Amino acid sequence: AQRVTQPEKLLSVFKGAPVELKCNYSYSGSPELFWYVQYSRQRLQLLLRHISRESIKGFTADLNKGETSFHLKKPFAQEEDSAMYYCAPRPAAGNKLTFGGGTRVLVKP
Amino acid sequence: DTGVSQNPRHKITKRGQNVTFRCDPISEHNRLYWYRQTLGQGPEFLTYFQNEAQLEKSRLLSDRFSAERPKGSFSTLEIQRTEQGDSAMYLCASSPGADYGYTFGSGTRLTVV
Repeated sequence: AQRVTQPEKLLSVFKGAPVELKCNYSYSGSPELFWYVQYSRQRLQLLLRHISRESIKGFTADLNKGETSFHLKKPFAQEEDSAMYYCAPRPAAGNKLTFGGGTRVLVKP
Repeated sequence: DTGVSQNPRHKITKRGQNVTFRCDPISEHNRLYWYRQTLGQGPEFLTYFQNEAQLEKSRLLSDRFSAERPKGSFSTLEIQRTEQGDSAMYLCASSPGADYGYTFGSGTRLTVV
């Protein structure tokens, strides 16, 4: 079965510290991978997608096909990074995203 | 274009009543998705349209749920004979293609009392 797992429900870090959000998936083939973010009282929005290889707001995500992981990282967390983060793979031949359970990031001053 | 618009923002209904939600996607986007999100969970897929065609529907979706997208523009999601378990945030999203991410609406929060 196709599954996506975000093992941490909550990550609490101090401002300026690195933060890494884990995402593991169990999909065959080469899924397309996305990270979404939801700030307080705002709608879900796309943070980054693997296919574009971009860095958004200092975040990057590395695809590890061997470990079937797509962890999200930022070297120096800022208070405005406090939000809910969702990993969302899409099967290579599929049409829809499947969202993980989410990780809440709290960046303390 | 103001993005994806959902109406109403909130809906409180009595158990057994029918409710209908509306989603207006970004006009250039031919793909439209409905998801449901409950507290502490990620969004859960309900159904997907490409233009006016409903191409996929979750097996979790009971017969009480129906969605339409006439003319390939706005979409409606109807829940008949609502149950307390239907209480959730209903999210609509649109996309211009499979390789692109979604643009989400603000959602409709349904409370069944």
